Formats: sequence, C-alpha cells, structure tokens
Amino acid sequence: GQNIDQPTEMTATEGAIVQINCTYQTSGFNGLFWYQQHAGEAPTFLSYNVLDGLEEKGRFSSFLSRSKGYSYLLLKELQMKDSASYLCAVRTGGGNKLTFGTGTQLKVEL
Amino acid sequence: GAGVSQSPSNKVTEKGKDVELRCDPISGHTALYWYRQRLGQGLEFLIYFQGNSAPDKSGLPSDRFSAERTGESVSTLTIQRTQQEDSAVYLCASSFRDTESLHFGNGTRLTVT
Repeated sequence: GQNIDQPTEMTATEGAIVQINCTYQTSGFNGLFWYQQHAGEAPTFLSYNVLDGLEEKGRFSSFLSRSKGYSYLLLKELQMKDSASYLCAVRTGGGNKLTFGTGTQLKVEL
Repeated sequence: GAGVSQSPSNKVTEKGKDVELRCDPISGHTALYWYRQRLGQGLEFLIYFQGNSAPDKSGLPSDRFSAERTGESVSTLTIQRTQQEDSAVYLCASSFRDTESLHFGNGTRLTVT
C-alpha cells in the first residue's frame, strides 16, 4: 500500500523559518512534489525532487532522502500569506498519478 | 484559457440523482487527471487521461463513477445515483506531458443531501 505522513498542523511566527516534514512508504518512487493550497483554492505547485538533496527556489526549499523515505519543505522569512495547507505527494509510477498526504495546515502568526 | 477551468463550482444534489462535472484543461495539455478531496483528507486519485484514452482508472471508487474525454480537451466526470459519501471537492488537473507538474482547477464542491 501507499502511506504518506505529515503533521496535521503547525504554527509559526512571521519572519521565522519553518520546516514541514513528510515521510513516505510507497511501492515505487518516481519523484516527490510539494503543493500549496489556500482555503477554497486550487493546489499550486511549489517544488519537485527526484534525486537526493536540496532544491532551493527563493524562500522555499525542499529536501529529499530516498533511502530514508523522507522529505521536508523549508519556508524562510515567513509571511502571513504563507498561511495555507502544504501537500506532500509521491509519484509512484508512470504518468502523473500522485499519492497525496493529508496536508499540513500552517498558520503564520504575528 | 489561462488555467484549468471547472464547472460548476458548486453543486448541491439529492441522493440518488446523477451529476456531471466538467473540466477544461489548459490548451495543449495532453494529460488530464481527476482527484477527489474529502473534508480534512488528502487528495485521492480517481482517473488519468493521456489524450483521449484512460490508461489508469484504478481510483474510481465504484461503477457509479465514469469519466470521458473528447478531442484531447474537455473531460466530464459522471457520478450516477449519488450517495452522501460522494460529497467532496472534485479537482481536475492537467499537464503538458505526463511527467510535468500538475496545474489544478479550483474544483467542484459537490454536496449530496
């Protein structure tokens, strides 16, 4: 079966750094995605990792360790607009059939 | 259009009725996906189209669910004899190729009363 775990909720302070972890146990691995979803809106693509290591894109970075089945999303210089749900998703085969975690609801406070 | 368009944005229906949900992908995107998001849960894969064919429909929950895609463009997801457990947000996504990141629509919120 496919299992993807992430914390349900996190709270952080504006201007701070937050790390959202994701662990996965899947049959097959062909890349890991992070999406951001604001309430009532469509998920939007943030990052993609297929090889081990860190991918940096502005204030957002994502890390992958395939041997540990582990990824994290790092958000720096938090802004109020970063309050959203962050979805970890694993591509397990051909095509873009993604298995999603339940998402981490991040609340950024003053 | 500029993004993935879904209609209707909201649908309230009585248990037992059939509903049809529509998705207009980004022009030129050959891959199209349907996902379901129940309240407080992750996105659940339903079906994937590459062009007009559906190589993977393993996520369709029952034979009450069907989907089609015509002209490598619009797709419709049909739910027959709706049940209360079908209440969810149905999200459509497309990608230029089946290996690139997904672009999601805003979804159709389905409520079965």
